[in-house]
Amino acid sequence: EAGVTQFPSHSVIEKGQTVTLRCDPISGHDNLYWYRRVMGKEIKFLLHFVKESKQDESGMPNNRFLAERTGGTYSTLKVQPAELEDSGVYFCASSRTSGDFLYEQYFGPGTRLTVT
Amino acid sequence: GEDVEQSLFLSVREGDSSVINCTYTDSSSTYLYWYKQEPGAGLQLLTYIFSNMDMKQDQRLTVLLNKKDKHLSLRIADTQTGDSAIYFCAERGSGGYQKVTFGIGTKLQVIP
Repeated sequence: EAGVTQFPSHSVIEKGQTVTLRCDPISGHDNLYWYRRVMGKEIKFLLHFVKESKQDESGMPNNRFLAERTGGTYSTLKVQPAELEDSGVYFCASSRTSGDFLYEQYFGPGTRLTVT
Repeated sequence: GEDVEQSLFLSVREGDSSVINCTYTDSSSTYLYWYKQEPGAGLQLLTYIFSNMDMKQDQRLTVLLNKKDKHLSLRIADTQTGDSAIYFCAERGSGGYQKVTFGIGTKLQVIP
């Protein structure tokens, strides 16, 4: 079974530019999550999709961040325009819902975003 | 809101035991996790414990939970150089739609 994949692994952009991160969850996982770790800080929750619907987007920092999950499969997270404080590692995770008492979230390797 | 705290750094000699500590504030936490992140890799679920348990042992790993003090620890016996990684303490509530709250991560350095 393939794991959660993320693309790109590393992105370096200038302040004011746009970047789109992609996450492919494990096949069959309805739940998809985005998290972010800013250097030296905790991993913070951004949002949660159930299939194509946003279940919880309480962690999204501001309206420069837009997440989509077309058709309930892969998800994209777009940052426009990027600011210096957006630098960090963006993790994606997916999980099943029914029949999984642990609700274990499987994480991807992350995308390291550097805004200069 | 929820908060999870852990120390930043731990250094141990190969063969010794490592103990990584964590405290959390959410009394409704149902699942408590330890994730491991090796360099360049994603987060790997190492072990977990339910809030109604005091201890869980899995080979070299022992998780202790003091629910009264909201204190969680991870003990790694016979620590190896391959155990060098960042260890994240995390918690979540019950139900399928609960987000995971992470600590800052403890970097474990194993000295040969």
